Amino acid sequence: GDSVTQMEGPVTLSEEAFLTINCTYTATGYPSLFWYVQYPGEGLQLLLKATKADDKGSNKGFEATYRKETTSFHLEKGSVQVSDSAVYFCALEGGGADGLTFGKGTHLIIQP
Amino acid sequence: NAGVMQNPRHLVRRRGQEARLRCSPMKGHSHVYWYRQLPEEGLKFMVYLQKENIIDESGMPKERFSAEFPKEGPSILRIQQVVRGDSAAYFCASSPADRDVTLHFGNGTRLTVT
Repeated sequence: GDSVTQMEGPVTLSEEAFLTINCTYTATGYPSLFWYVQYPGEGLQLLLKATKADDKGSNKGFEATYRKETTSFHLEKGSVQVSDSAVYFCALEGGGADGLTFGKGTHLIIQP
Repeated sequence: NAGVMQNPRHLVRRRGQEARLRCSPMKGHSHVYWYRQLPEEGLKFMVYLQKENIIDESGMPKERFSAEFPKEGPSILRIQQVVRGDSAAYFCASSPADRDVTLHFGNGTRLTVT
């Protein structure tokens, strides 16, 4: 079945550092790929998405490129802020009836 | 434009009691998903419903758990005879149409079984 693997956290960075959170997936066909962010005590919010190979999703300075050849969708940001501290989930939608398949989440901590 | 509303935010139940979790989807959304989040885990799909229909319940435990989304009113996730292992955050998400997986999530209900 479909699965998503993301780097384990917590990931701790200093403010203004470069961020990469790795995400790889296993799926049949060509799924849509997503990054969701969860701030403390809140639900998940869609951060960005890409629906086909080589698409780049971007939002709030975050980017991720759909790489079919490496089955990856790594999340990047050039300069992180303390307010980016949250849990980030990579997810895919494979066309089945059960919505999204999520990774386990990566807890990001940004220190001032 | 209200988002997905879940209540209660926190629910404490003793072992053996029933838990009812409510979810009102975004206005105009007729599809609801329930997910469970255990500590240190990602979200696990439980059930997908349309109004008055269960589309996919493959992620729901066969016993004690049930879900509905009536024609009027919120979607309800019901857990009978709760056990400690049911303690988790339960998230509801809605979408406007079938196969539209731009999901909008509620803030979740945190169930604690004592």
